[in-house]
Amino acid sequence: GAVVSQHPSRVICKSGTSVKIECRSLDFQATTMFWYRQFPKQSLMLMATSNEGSKATYEQGVEKDKFLINHASLTLSTLTVTSAHPEDSSFYICSAPDRAGANVLTFGAGSRLTVL
Amino acid sequence: QKEVEQDPGPLSVPEGAIVSLNCTYSNSAFQYFMWYRQYSRKGPELLMYTYSSGNKEDGRFTAQVDKSSKYISLFIRDSQPSDSATYLCAMSHGSSNTGKLIFGQGTTLQVKP
Repeated sequence: GAVVSQHPSRVICKSGTSVKIECRSLDFQATTMFWYRQFPKQSLMLMATSNEGSKATYEQGVEKDKFLINHASLTLSTLTVTSAHPEDSSFYICSAPDRAGANVLTFGAGSRLTVL
Repeated sequence: QKEVEQDPGPLSVPEGAIVSLNCTYSNSAFQYFMWYRQYSRKGPELLMYTYSSGNKEDGRFTAQVDKSSKYISLFIRDSQPSDSATYLCAMSHGSSNTGKLIFGQGTTLQVKP
């Protein structure tokens, strides 16, 4: 299957700062990538769809101005959490369609964000 | 009611046991059914996927989908301590909703040596 690399794996920041998380597809070109969020003891929830060369589409209830997504190339999507607050602390995981098909996703290793 | 229900467990079994993990769902539009394994502090790893109904086998793992009952299962034969993880079922509608997977809560499995 596809390989998705995510960086950093863990980040701690102060409240009010911005944090950027990178997601790369290593062995294929991904015109679309997906950002999920997982709170402790909860399941994964789709936040937004990252589209190469165009604006991201956000799920209902996700603030697009807080979670900035850029998909500048076919292998890189970035998520920037702007003006982070403690309630933004979570596990952020990117994904891309697996070679098995567009409806089956391969996930990165995730980035754990802790906002102090 | 959640779209996908999964017993969070934890489920504890002895090494070598057959493990049965299940999910039920309410939306009959789901067409793709996946099982992911997630180790602590890691991203989900795709184990198996099935399109529509039927069975699929891969080594020690067997996935079953019963769309008439809106019920899916994952069986693990000869379970090993390394199988200890959280198992997530996930589903999607099809091409019109590409990328939007609906996940179950996950079942925590512990296989004791």
